[in-house]
Amino acid sequence: DGGITQSPKYLFRKEGQNVTLSCEQNLNHDAMYWYRQDPGQGLRLIYYSQIVNDFQKGDIAEGYSVSREKKESFPLTVTSAQKNPTAFYLCASFKTGNTEAFFGQGTRLTVV
Amino acid sequence: AQTVTQSQPEMSVQEAETVTLSCTYDTSENNYYLFWYKQPPSRQMILVIRQEAYKQQNATENRFSVNFQKAAKSFSLKISDSQLGDTAMYFCAFEYGYGQNFVFGPGTRLSVLP
Repeated sequence: DGGITQSPKYLFRKEGQNVTLSCEQNLNHDAMYWYRQDPGQGLRLIYYSQIVNDFQKGDIAEGYSVSREKKESFPLTVTSAQKNPTAFYLCASFKTGNTEAFFGQGTRLTVV
Repeated sequence: AQTVTQSQPEMSVQEAETVTLSCTYDTSENNYYLFWYKQPPSRQMILVIRQEAYKQQNATENRFSVNFQKAAKSFSLKISDSQLGDTAMYFCAFEYGYGQNFVFGPGTRLSVLP
C-alpha cells in the first residue's frame, strides 16, 4: 500500500543535541511539507519542497534544516538552535496539480 | 497574507444531533481550495471534505457537508447524525498555488457526547 511514513513515533532529545526526523513516501508525490503542531494551535509550516534538491522556508524555519536528495525522502533536522523544540511534527506530501495532502502519523519530540 | 480563522475552540454535540463548525478565511486569491481535516486522538490527519473555490455547489461527503460562501469568505462544516467516532480536532485549511501554500486554522475540538 502506498503511503507516507514518519519515524520514530516518539523521540527524546537532550538539550544541545541535533536530531533528525524521518519522512518517507512511496506515492510518487512531488511536494513534501513539514509542519509543527503545538497544543491549542494549528499546523505551522516549517519547510517545504516541490522538487528534488530544492526546498523553501516556511513560517517558522529558524532552528530547523531539511534536505531533499530523493523524491521519496524529506528528513527534518531539529538543531540545537531551536529553542523550544518540544512539539508534534507532521510530514505531508502531495502531487503537484493535486490539492489533497497526505499526512504521516507524526513524531512527538520531547527535549529532556 | 492568507489567514484562516476558526472562532470556536471547543464544541460539543449529543450523539445523533447535528453540529456546525465555523471557518472564515482571508485571501486576495481567486482560485483556491478549502479543506476540512479531522485529527482524532491518534493524531492522524484525515481529509474530511474538499471544496474548489470555482464551484458554487457545496461539497458533501455522506454525513459531512459544507456551506461555502465565497463572497463572505466563509466555509462552515456541518456534521449530521453525529457519531462518537466524530470526536476529534477539526482543522479548516486553505490552499492555493497547486501545493505551494497550505494554511491551517487553529482548530476546533469537537466532543460527541453519548
